[in-house]
Amino acid sequence: DAKTTQPNSMESNEEEPVHLPCNHSTISGTDYIHWYRQLPSQGPEYVIHGLTSNVNNRMASLAIAEDRKSSTLILHRATLRDAAVYYCILRPWWDGNKLVFGAGTILRVKS
Amino acid sequence: NAGVTQTPKFQVLKTGQSMTLQCAQDMNHNSMYWYRQDPGMGLRLIYYSASEGTTDKGEVPNGYNVSRLNKREFSLRLESAAPSQTSVYFCASRAGDTEAFFGQGTRLTVV
Repeated sequence: DAKTTQPNSMESNEEEPVHLPCNHSTISGTDYIHWYRQLPSQGPEYVIHGLTSNVNNRMASLAIAEDRKSSTLILHRATLRDAAVYYCILRPWWDGNKLVFGAGTILRVKS
Repeated sequence: NAGVTQTPKFQVLKTGQSMTLQCAQDMNHNSMYWYRQDPGMGLRLIYYSASEGTTDKGEVPNGYNVSRLNKREFSLRLESAAPSQTSVYFCASRAGDTEAFFGQGTRLTVV
């Protein structure tokens, strides 16, 4: 299975944009890139996913490198509520039901 | 709007005792998952079920059994609990390629 690499932690100021990187140099051509986040004492929640093109939704944007070896989750204006662990996950095409989480990035937001 | 419901929320077991963690979803999802999360760590996949009647091992299946009782319910059984199984257990469900929804977790302590 392809693996992802994320920084252990990042810090941001409230109301500023946040760019959370993820490296996945061994990604396969049809692996989807998923992002989830986990707020303190809660189960994870879905943020966004994409394959090749950049994606936007109400929560965030996902920028995918042209060679697909890396991606960046963009929170346009961080709030205190965005403080969480953010997970970048590859969903293999051959087992679309499998979701394997890595260690994730702890995002701290300062007021 | 229940989503994914896990019972119990908290449990303390003695070493060697058995118990079953229950999970039910009301979203008519085909896929269901069991994860464990140790303190300060990411989620690790224990077992998953792509559809009613099928189950597959995840990253850390040893010491656990699962049953996909019907489309709604996916249970996780510990036959002989060990202190190393002290963790927070999350159940999740998903329909096809869409986002996964997680329960609030079961906090299990084995003494």
